[in-house]
Amino acid sequence: KNEVEQSPQNLTAQEGEFITINCSYSVGISALHWLQQHPGGGIVSLFMLSSGKKKHGRLIATINIQEKHSSLHITASHPRDSAVYICAVLSGSARQLTFGSGTQLTVLP
Amino acid sequence: DTGVSQDPRHKITKRGQNVTFRCDPISEHNRLYWYRQTLGQGPEFLTYFQNEAQLEKSRLLSDRFSAERPKGSFSTLEIQRTEQGDSAMYLCASRSAKTSGAYNEQFFGPGTRLTVL
Repeated sequence: KNEVEQSPQNLTAQEGEFITINCSYSVGISALHWLQQHPGGGIVSLFMLSSGKKKHGRLIATINIQEKHSSLHITASHPRDSAVYICAVLSGSARQLTFGSGTQLTVLP
Repeated sequence: DTGVSQDPRHKITKRGQNVTFRCDPISEHNRLYWYRQTLGQGPEFLTYFQNEAQLEKSRLLSDRFSAERPKGSFSTLEIQRTEQGDSAMYLCASRSAKTSGAYNEQFFGPGTRLTVL
């Protein structure tokens, strides 16, 4: 069993829809990242959170430490949101990231 | 552009050849990470430097892999006698360390995509 599980693996939505991507983890963490990866490989950090909720524009991330679960929400989705979204947890003595396998999001116009 | 650069962006090589990748982190960042990402998967941790010291290596880092950060700035990752299974995206990330001990986020480079024929 992977330490970080994401669902769904693939998600197709119509422009304007509300989107939720889920992340569950099995290890103790001090922080969780939501990352965005576009074709070509570049990874951008969207959020880093250790409790509660954060909001940037149309993106909202929540985390429940007791349930070891986090969600990424996108409101009013747009085709430019199409990307792979990756959940990663901070663990280990080197504070390296342990990543989920990613969710491929496609938003159709 | 996150401020972390990697070179080359793409590398195609034949099985058995040696390859070397370079990562230039954000200048004030003293922590540097290497990750590997295969198709359809999330990245996996390979190794970690604090300044010039390599402090942790993953079991994924076989004897054919070596990483250096000689002056605590840029880092190189070398793969000797490449195998087809080494084909992947190699990602570098850096972060600073605040004196408060709070964790600072990692900034990722664009990656080097390696194809071993």
